[in-house]
Order: sequence, then structure tokens, then C-alpha cells
Amino acid sequence: SQQGEEDPQALSIQEGENATMNCSYKTSINNLQWYRQNSGRGLVHLILIRSNEREKHSGRLRVTLDTSKKSSSLLITASRAADTASYFCATDARNSGGSNYKLTFGKGTLLTVNP
Amino acid sequence: KAGVTQTPRYLIKTRGQQVTLSCSPISGHRSVSWYQQTPGQGLQFLFEYFSETQRNKGNFPGRFSGRQFSNSRSEMNVSTLELGDSALYLCASSLLLSGASSPLHFGNGTRLTVT
Repeated sequence: SQQGEEDPQALSIQEGENATMNCSYKTSINNLQWYRQNSGRGLVHLILIRSNEREKHSGRLRVTLDTSKKSSSLLITASRAADTASYFCATDARNSGGSNYKLTFGKGTLLTVNP
Repeated sequence: KAGVTQTPRYLIKTRGQQVTLSCSPISGHRSVSWYQQTPGQGLQFLFEYFSETQRNKGNFPGRFSGRQFSNSRSEMNVSTLELGDSALYLCASSLLLSGASSPLHFGNGTRLTVT
């Protein structure tokens, strides 16, 4: 099963508006990452936030992490048509043997920014 | 620096055949992870290799296997193909093991269609 689950599944906004996507996860984590994927392409790493951090910024991106609620949000400000993509959160989770971590992805939020 | 390269970009195979996919990581990256992406299941972790050793494995049948060479290049093999194996197969490289707060760098994937 997925460790992270994004919400909403799809989001459509106008250029210039802000977009907020949420991610909830089940088990404790060391860090949470956000990735973007343009249609038919590979994923691109956006930002990593560690479990002891509450907020992080990178350009027009703002990520928050609430470990007590096991949730994170990604805010994209002043969105552009080029931001149209799927956005995924990824969390590190121990494998079933408990010995190694692996990155587990949610199913993503499809963001459409209309010009 | 060259990115992650996956070959081939597209593949069409018939049921029962086998297939080998190739991944060349970013120079200096020692970890290579493989993911299967389908519309229904999203991104599913297959396995991760680090310094030629499989360090982590997802919940896939033994028909899915992989290896890593001394130059960090990796291959994955799927034998006795089934229709359900049709997917985008993504390879990602990182400096460290993926759970060590090390962002993944993805290739553009191999689109496998099984008929």
C-alpha cells in the first residue's frame, strides 16, 4: 500500500493563482520529499524537508510538515502554465525486514494551470 | 553533467517473452532504484542497488530481477511477460542509498507495452 497519499487527486486553477497540495502518510519518517512529473517523463526532485523541520522554501515553493498529524503541504505561489504537471510526495519507510529504508510515493496530484 | 539515461525509450513485447531494460546513472552516483508506474497502482518500488548489491526489494514476483555493474550502470529483467506488466519503468540514481535523505534523479523511463 502507498505510504503517502496526496489530496486532491486533481486541481485546476488559473495562471497567477496559488496551488496547494496535501500529503498524508502513515508511519514515522526521517524526511519527506516532493517531486514533479510532466506527462510521460521522469520525476524531478523539488524539495526535501526533514522530520525536524516545519517549513521550507525554494523559489515559489513552500513546503510545510506536521509530524504530529503526519501530513505535509506543498504551496506553489503565482502559478504558471508551465507548472502543469503531476506532483508526488515521497516518504522514506523501512522495508518489511526493518533493515533498510526505501522511498515510497503517493499517487500524486494532477495540477492544471490554465493560461 | 549528463542525467540518468534509460534505454530503450519504448518497447513492445508479447506475452511470455522476456525483456531487459538499461539504466545509466549520473556520474558518481552509486545507488540505482527502479520503479514501475501504472495509472492504477501509481509508482511501485521494485528494487534498489548500491555498489553492485541489492539493498532493498519491493513486493514483486521473482520474474522481476535486476543487477548493477561495477560502473553503477544497472539493468532490470522481466521474464515471462504478462499483460499486467505494461507500464512505464523508471530508473533513478542517487549519491547515497535512497533512504539517506538523498534526492532521487530520474530518467525519462522505458514505456513497455505487452500484447
